[in-house]
Amino acid sequence: KAGVTQTPRYLIKTRGQQVTLSCSPISGHRSVSWYQQTPGQGLQFLFEYFSETQRNKGNFPGRFSGRQFSNSRSEMNVSTLELGDSALYLCASRPSGSATDTQYFGPGTRLTVL
Amino acid sequence: DQQVKQNSPSLSVQEGRISILNCDYTNSMFDYFLWYKKYPAEGPTFLISISSIKDKNEDGRFTVFLNKSAKHLSLHIVPSQPGDSAVYFCAASSGVSYGGSQGNLIFGKGTKLSVKP
Repeated sequence: KAGVTQTPRYLIKTRGQQVTLSCSPISGHRSVSWYQQTPGQGLQFLFEYFSETQRNKGNFPGRFSGRQFSNSRSEMNVSTLELGDSALYLCASRPSGSATDTQYFGPGTRLTVL
Repeated sequence: DQQVKQNSPSLSVQEGRISILNCDYTNSMFDYFLWYKKYPAEGPTFLISISSIKDKNEDGRFTVFLNKSAKHLSLHIVPSQPGDSAVYFCAASSGVSYGGSQGNLIFGKGTKLSVKP
């Protein structure tokens, strides 16, 4: 079974621009979560989608948004980019809504904001 | 304020010996804990998990111990191998006990394990 895939793997943007990252979950997985990893803050939860609905949201500003499509693929968008948004963005999928489902991570998208 | 803490940023161990990675948490609502391993330029890989109704879970060379009263868990790797060299993250979630479906994991900042041949 193919793993979680994320595109693009690397991205360079300038301040004020917006960016869209894509995540394709493992086949059959309906839940997708997004995380931001930075050297200072570590891995922080952004939001989770399940069956096209946002079910959970972390403590990030409204510039960070996401959505999930009927095939479970998910996108996250960051508008008005700031230097501090430079990070590794990780997507994780799991089969269903059970709290004990293991989350499987993709390789991440490395975003650099200049 | 960090809810999950890994106080050792790094650990160096000789091949064949035991590696012990520690993790402390502050939120008593956490009832499910996981360990992930991460290599550079890759996403975290799931290693092992434990529910708060247990105090130990084993999977091959990996064993996780949970001490709820101390709000402490540890990952033991025996024997350690050079391929185990990576950053190890402890993560916690809540909601298992009441049938919740929390998709947000709270991560520690990681411990870099180096296993010397």
